[in-house]
Amino acid sequence: ETGVTQTPRHLVMGMTNKKSLKCEQHLGHNAMYWYKQSAKKPLELMFVYSLEERVENNSVPSRFSPECPNSSHLFLHLHTLQPEDSALYLCASSQERGQGRTDTQYFGPGTRLTVL
Amino acid sequence: AQKITQTQPGMFVQEKEAVTLDCTYDTSDPSYGLFWYKQPSSGEMIFLIYQGSYDQQNATEGRYSLNFQKARKSANLVISASQLGDSAMYFCAMREGSMIKAAGNKLTFGGGTRVLVKP
Repeated sequence: ETGVTQTPRHLVMGMTNKKSLKCEQHLGHNAMYWYKQSAKKPLELMFVYSLEERVENNSVPSRFSPECPNSSHLFLHLHTLQPEDSALYLCASSQERGQGRTDTQYFGPGTRLTVL
Repeated sequence: AQKITQTQPGMFVQEKEAVTLDCTYDTSDPSYGLFWYKQPSSGEMIFLIYQGSYDQQNATEGRYSLNFQKARKSANLVISASQLGDSAMYFCAMREGSMIKAAGNKLTFGGGTRVLVKP
């Protein structure tokens, strides 16, 4: 495997379900990101993990819970979602070089989530 | 005010012709980076090209070139010799420089331009 992978690629869930999205990067990067892409809205940054520490939480509702067990893996745990949470969820990774400098972000193929 | 503006929601281009996608940005930070990504219908965001605010020359990557006009705060993407596989959404994004840890990780995206290449 190369690059950034995401599973599942498609997910349909009810509002009472609990599910998790998985992201894995094979690029040796030390920073990982979750983005949300809704129809007709710009891509929105949700969470940033740098060196496995969460450094950004962009006012995301608590029904989204990220987890970064190591620098290669990132999860997004979902529970009691709303229909408006239906979107494409994209994971990305990059190499952070310290002092605010970071390289290009590389994205995975995304998980298309539908909440019924 | 929006930080990244892409004024063309969609456009057609004839195969083998060149196309220019507009992007203007707004920042007061002297250090920033500009990116273009391509998103086919499959959903993956594919990195195309990068321009740093201090770069003296316009960036080029194969058929992609970036027309960087710093005074006008524009960073237009030029795709030469369009191919059918170039049909996709194209996003312009900006990363503002900062000495604050991880703030430099934030990418702000524009609304995108949909390109359809006609045979």
